[in-house]
Amino acid sequence: EAGVTQSPTHLIKTRGQQATLRCSPISGHTSVYWYQQALGLGLQFLLWYDEGEERNRGNFPPRFSGRQFPNYSSELNVNALELEDSALYLCASRREGRETQYFGPGTRLLVL
Amino acid sequence: QKEVEQNSGPLSVPEGAIASLNCTYSDRGSQSFFWYRQYSGKSPELIMFIYSNGDKEDGRFTAQLNKASQYVSLLIRDSQPSDSATYLCAGRGGDAGGTSYGKLTFGQGTILTVHP
Repeated sequence: EAGVTQSPTHLIKTRGQQATLRCSPISGHTSVYWYQQALGLGLQFLLWYDEGEERNRGNFPPRFSGRQFPNYSSELNVNALELEDSALYLCASRREGRETQYFGPGTRLLVL
Repeated sequence: QKEVEQNSGPLSVPEGAIASLNCTYSDRGSQSFFWYRQYSGKSPELIMFIYSNGDKEDGRFTAQLNKASQYVSLLIRDSQPSDSATYLCAGRGGDAGGTSYGKLTFGQGTILTVHP
């Protein structure tokens, strides 16, 4: 069974630009979660999508947004990038009725 | 107060010893708890989860949950150098519609080093 995949692995942007990060969940998983892991701040919950709907959102500004497609893949968009958005962005997926979230390898975003 | 707190590290144990990792949480609505291991530069990988009071064992790993004390722990028996990593404790929020619903709230992690 293939794991969660994310693209790109690395992304370099300049301040003010927009970044788009992509995630494909494990086959059969319908929920997708996005987390930010910034240096010194630990893993912070960003967004949760399930069946195409946003179910919960972390304490992040509206310039962090996303969506889930009919095939359950997901996209995270970060607008008006700021230097402090530099972090590892992790996607996780979960099968309905199960507890565990499985993480992808992450996208490392660097904002210059 | 942080929602999930882990014992301060780093923790260093000799090979073959028992490593004990601890975690406390403040949200009594948390439904289940997870231990992830994260190697440097890699993403978290699940070790085990627990949702009932008591112990749960999986190979060299034992998770313990005490909901009354709001305490979760992970014991690693016969520690190996390959166990050297950051260990993350996370709680999953329960109440639908609440701010913690469904999400994992992570502690800051404990760095474990197992030396030969």
